Amino acid sequence: GAVVSQHPSRVICKSGTSVKIECRSLDFQATTMFWYRQFPKQSLMLMATSNEGSKATYEQGVEKDKFLINHASLTLSTLTVTSAHPEDSSFYICSVRPGGSGNTIYFGEGSWLTVV
Amino acid sequence: AQTVTQSQPEMSVQEAETVTLSCTYDTSESDYYLFWYKQPPSRQMILVIRQEAYKQQNATENRFSVNFQKAAKSFSLKISDSQLGDAAMYFCAYRSADFGNEKLTFGTGTRLTIIP
Repeated sequence: GAVVSQHPSRVICKSGTSVKIECRSLDFQATTMFWYRQFPKQSLMLMATSNEGSKATYEQGVEKDKFLINHASLTLSTLTVTSAHPEDSSFYICSVRPGGSGNTIYFGEGSWLTVV
Repeated sequence: AQTVTQSQPEMSVQEAETVTLSCTYDTSESDYYLFWYKQPPSRQMILVIRQEAYKQQNATENRFSVNFQKAAKSFSLKISDSQLGDAAMYFCAYRSADFGNEKLTFGTGTRLTIIP
């Protein structure tokens, strides 16, 4: 079964509104989660590293005020796209490396965001 | 910063034949991990195979094997006895072995088509 759950799998929102995407680790605790963005026919680009109990670390060029990341518990990280615009439409996917799992990294199912 | 290069945007292979996907990377680190991920149309990221840089032996997982050339910074994936279900995007990825630096850096991907 799924190890990492992402919700919603698809969401459509209006320009100017905010939308929240959840990444939940089901069977383990995760102090660190990663958020990636994938444009159509392109690779995955790391947006930020989500750290439980502290501020996220954003990659260069990613607007931290636009892409709010909250990692309030050891099993849940959320990505909120604020004041969404059509150019924010993309596939967002999270990943987790559980503590003690060696090198295994688990991915969520991803979330399609369409801003209209 | 590390970079991962996949020079083959698209590849095709006849069913039951063998195909090799290329990947090169650049890093100044001596200890790291390399991965091949498969992304079918569902967009779910599926781990195909992984390699620890400190291991000289090439990793093998059933029909999938790698040719890891550390000095040349090359990490190719060989798929034997290709099956229709192997059709997907394949991403090569790099991860540092440093604790706390566990993000994945992906190549641009290779779209593999299986010809019946």
